[in-house]
Amino acid sequence: AQSVTQPDIHITVSEGASLELRCNYSYGATPYLFWYVQSPGQGLQLLLKYFSGDTLVQGIKGFEAEFKRSQSSFNLRKPSVHWSDAAEYFCAVGARIDTDKLIFGTGTRLQVFP
Amino acid sequence: GAVVSQHPSWVICKSGTSVKIECRSLDFQATTMFWYRQFPKQSLMLMATSNEGSKATYEQGVEKDKFLINHASLTLSTLTVTSAHPEDSSFYICSARGRQRTDTQYFGPGTRLTVL
Repeated sequence: AQSVTQPDIHITVSEGASLELRCNYSYGATPYLFWYVQSPGQGLQLLLKYFSGDTLVQGIKGFEAEFKRSQSSFNLRKPSVHWSDAAEYFCAVGARIDTDKLIFGTGTRLQVFP
Repeated sequence: GAVVSQHPSWVICKSGTSVKIECRSLDFQATTMFWYRQFPKQSLMLMATSNEGSKATYEQGVEKDKFLINHASLTLSTLTVTSAHPEDSSFYICSARGRQRTDTQYFGPGTRLTVL
């Protein structure tokens, strides 16, 4: 069965510092992978997705993620965090034969200090 | 990106009453819409998938008679929580996508339901 693990429930970083949010998945084949961000009062916004090709994916707002098959990971990174990045971040997995069914991780809440 | 709205953003109702939540795609035609439920500090759980003009497909464990879904047009899907009870209190989120399975799902802002 598919599953997604986000080991970090809460992360605090200083503005300007680098960021890495971890995501590990369990799936029998290469899945579709997504990162979403959820701000209070806002819907989930897609940051980036990986379907195939280059394993380093660039997204919006300066985020990138790297698919590592050997580690079953899809970690999200940003070189310099801005205060506006404070939000909840969700990693999700979609099966290749049924991408409609997104399996979400439990989320990581990012807090940014000035 | 595309915009999906939900109405109401929050609702409080008495136990035993029914509540309808609307999900609208404002600037694109949503062939497929999804309804999720999110518990505090937990991930989103897919409840059902609805295709325009068809009956919804419910995930295992979701009561279809309890959570009625109607996807009457390419821009509107509704979720009706029938005979709501306190355990139905939750955050309900819809998403919508276009015709292709690989199209991005665009999410609504969610509806917080509190049943007293």
